[in-house]
Parts: sequence; structure tokens; C-alpha cells
Amino acid sequence: KAGVTQTPRYLIKTRGQQVTLSCSPISGHRSVSWYQQTPGQGLQFLFEYFSETQRNKGNFPGRFSGRQFSNSRSEMNVSTLELGDSALYLCASSQGSYNQETQYFGPGTRLLVL
Amino acid sequence: AQSVTQLGSHVSVSEGALVLLRCNYSSSVPPYLFWYVQYPNQGLQLLLKYTSAATLVKGINGFEAEFKKSETSFHLTKPSAHMSDAAEYFCAVSEEGTYKYIFGTGTRLKVLA
Repeated sequence: KAGVTQTPRYLIKTRGQQVTLSCSPISGHRSVSWYQQTPGQGLQFLFEYFSETQRNKGNFPGRFSGRQFSNSRSEMNVSTLELGDSALYLCASSQGSYNQETQYFGPGTRLLVL
Repeated sequence: AQSVTQLGSHVSVSEGALVLLRCNYSSSVPPYLFWYVQYPNQGLQLLLKYTSAATLVKGINGFEAEFKKSETSFHLTKPSAHMSDAAEYFCAVSEEGTYKYIFGTGTRLKVLA
């Protein structure tokens, strides 16, 4: 099975712009979670989607949003980018039943905000 | 609220020596615990997980971890370090019924020749 894929792998944006990141989960997985990784704050949970619905949410401002499509692919959007949004954004997929499952992570999208 | 503390942001060991990476957790309910490894410019790879079955958990690449409720610890060990083990290691905790993982700050392992 192919692993979790994320596109693009690298992105450079300027302050005030918006950005959309994409995540394709492992085939058959219905849950997609997003995490932000920065040197200062470490790995922080953004949100989780299951069957096109947001099921859990972390403590991030409303500028961070996401969605999931019927094929389980997910996108996250960050509007009005700030310098502090520079980070590695990781998505993880799982089957979605919470039954002692493992989340499998993608390689991440590295976002640089100038 | 759940939390994870990883003691030692950097650990150095000689090749062939014991690897011990420390993780302590705080959780009001029985936790699920995980160790992930991250190589440079890559995502996270699961090493092992504890889900209330056996307290000694064996993972990939020769790693294992022991869940000690009395000490609220889940330390990661490997009997003999290899150069390829050099990476950053993250301990994480989650509650049953959620994929919201709380990660520790990570421990960067350096293996000396």
C-alpha cells in the first residue's frame, strides 16, 4: 500500500497570503489529522477529519481551517499568513474507528512565510 | 489534561551502547502511549505503542518500551545503538477515543562511532 502523501513538499509564501496544503491518506483510511511542527512549540494537533466532518480540533486560531472530501483526501488552509506560521505541517491517517489504531504520518509540507 | 515530558533534549551514546530515552506522562485516564522516530526531512514513523495490553512493548528496529504505571513512565530502550538510530524521537500520549496526540518535545539521539 502506498503511504500518506502530502503535496506540495515545500512552499514559500509571503505574509498576508493564504495557502492550501493537501493530504492523501492511505487507501481505506477514513480519518485524517493535521499537526504543526515548529522548533519552538514542537508538534501540535490542529484538527481531525472523519467522513468529511471535523471530529476534533486543537487550539489554533480560525485562520487555520480544513476540509475532507468524499475520497478521504484532506486539505488544510491557512489564511492571512504570519511569519509564525512557518512550520512543517504533517498529516496522519488512520482507519478511523479509534480501536487502538495507529496513525501513519506523511512526510510533511514545509511552509516558509517571508 | 494529558501531558508528556521527555527528559533530555539531546542524548549521545556510543555505537553498541545501551540507548535509554525517557518519557513520563500525565493522564487522568488509562493512556495510549506511543514512540515515534523522525529522520531529517521526513515525517514520523511509529516505533511502538502501548494500548493497555502487555506492559513491555516491543517495536521495530530492536526498540522496546516498558509501561510503568506507578512511575507514570514509558521509557524507550535499545540494547545496542547503531549509527542508523541517529534521529529525533518523540513520545506521545492520547486518550482512548481520540486521535489527538499530545507529543513531547523530542529527544535528539546522536550515535558516536
